[in-house]
Amino acid sequence: AQSVSQHNHHVILSEAASLELGCNYSYGGTVNLFWYVQYPGQHLQLLLKYFSGDPLVKGIKGFEAEFIKSKFSFNLRKPSVQWSDTAEYFCAVTTSGTYKYIFGTGTRLKVLA
Amino acid sequence: EAGVAQSPRYKIIEKRQSVAFWCNPISGHATLYWYQQILGQGPKLLIQFQNNGVVDDSQLPKDRFSAERLKGVDSTLKIQPAKLEDSAVYLCASSLSFAFQETQYFGPGTRLLVL
Repeated sequence: AQSVSQHNHHVILSEAASLELGCNYSYGGTVNLFWYVQYPGQHLQLLLKYFSGDPLVKGIKGFEAEFIKSKFSFNLRKPSVQWSDTAEYFCAVTTSGTYKYIFGTGTRLKVLA
Repeated sequence: EAGVAQSPRYKIIEKRQSVAFWCNPISGHATLYWYQQILGQGPKLLIQFQNNGVVDDSQLPKDRFSAERLKGVDSTLKIQPAKLEDSAVYLCASSLSFAFQETQYFGPGTRLLVL
């Protein structure tokens, strides 16, 4: 069965530090990849998505993610985090087989001012 | 445009009681999803509708959970009777269509606590 792994469950960073959150999936076929963010008290929002083409995807608020097919990975990055980036981040994948979203367990990011 | 609406936002019930959640998707979105998010886990799909037909309910505990989308617009998810392990956030999402590349838009969720 398809699965998504997010290895970092909790991350604490100081403002201006660089961020990289890991996401790995298990599926050998065609995938679409998503990063969603949930700010405190708010609903899940799309941060960025990859369908095809350039494997480096840029999203909102300065976030980007790189799809590395050989590593089955879609890591999220931001060069300099802000206090307002404190949130929970979810990686999700849909596959050509099922079209269903499979979510990872999420990573809670806390940015210290 | 208005987002996905859900109500109630919070619900506390005792085990063996019943509860219902309501969702109104974004206007024009044909596909509607219900997810269960248990604390510390990612959302898990319970059921997916395309208009008023069920596309996937393979992970819905059908002995106690039911859902309907009678007119292809808003939807209701019911639990009867509730168990302690049903305590979770129930998320509704919608997308324009049922397609491989569709982005899903999520509502604020209903937080359920079963005592």
